[in-house]
Amino acid sequence: NAGVMQNPRHLVRRRGQEARLRCSPMKGHSHVYWYRQLPEEGLKFMVYLQKENIIDESGMPKERFSAEFPKEGPSILRIQQVVRGDSAAYFCASSPEHQASYEQYFGPGTRLTVT
Amino acid sequence: ELKVEQNPLFLSMQEGKNYTIYCNYSTTSDRLYWYRQDPGKSLESLFVLLSNGAVKQEGRLMASLDTKARLSTLHITAAVHDLSATYFCAVVTTSGTYKYIFGTGTRLKVLA
Repeated sequence: NAGVMQNPRHLVRRRGQEARLRCSPMKGHSHVYWYRQLPEEGLKFMVYLQKENIIDESGMPKERFSAEFPKEGPSILRIQQVVRGDSAAYFCASSPEHQASYEQYFGPGTRLTVT
Repeated sequence: ELKVEQNPLFLSMQEGKNYTIYCNYSTTSDRLYWYRQDPGKSLESLFVLLSNGAVKQEGRLMASLDTKARLSTLHITAAVHDLSATYFCAVVTTSGTYKYIFGTGTRLKVLA
């Protein structure tokens, strides 16, 4: 059973470009969470999605960031007009149910560098 | 709002020594996780602690949970160089979205 997959693993963008980060949850998991890790910090929650629905985006910056989890295909975190401060590692996690008793399984992360 | 604090933030220790990392959290939670992260890598799950008084051990690492004190500890016994990494604790919120709240991490360096 493959784990959570993320691609690309490394992404370099110039300021003002768009970044698209993809996350394929584990098989059978329909709940996806995105976290961001700034350098030298812990992970911080960004958004929680179920298929075709954004449930909680309280951790997402109000502008330039968006997320989706379509009926078919991976979840996508999109950052428009990237700035240097967006440089970070972005991790997604998935779980089979949205319950505190179900562990979230983390992917390998996408490291975004904005030049 | 649930807050998680770890200390120390940095820890440099000699091989063979023992030390403890502390994780305090501000409100009730049902479970606490410990992770290891090597530079540029993802999180490696170490322990899941589910109840008051829970203690788990794996090799030279032992984790415990005191839900009344809202405190978890990660004890390192007879450290070896391979344990050098950053260690995070994370607590799950118990209402609304079940998001993980991570501590700031403890960067451990074990000197040969």
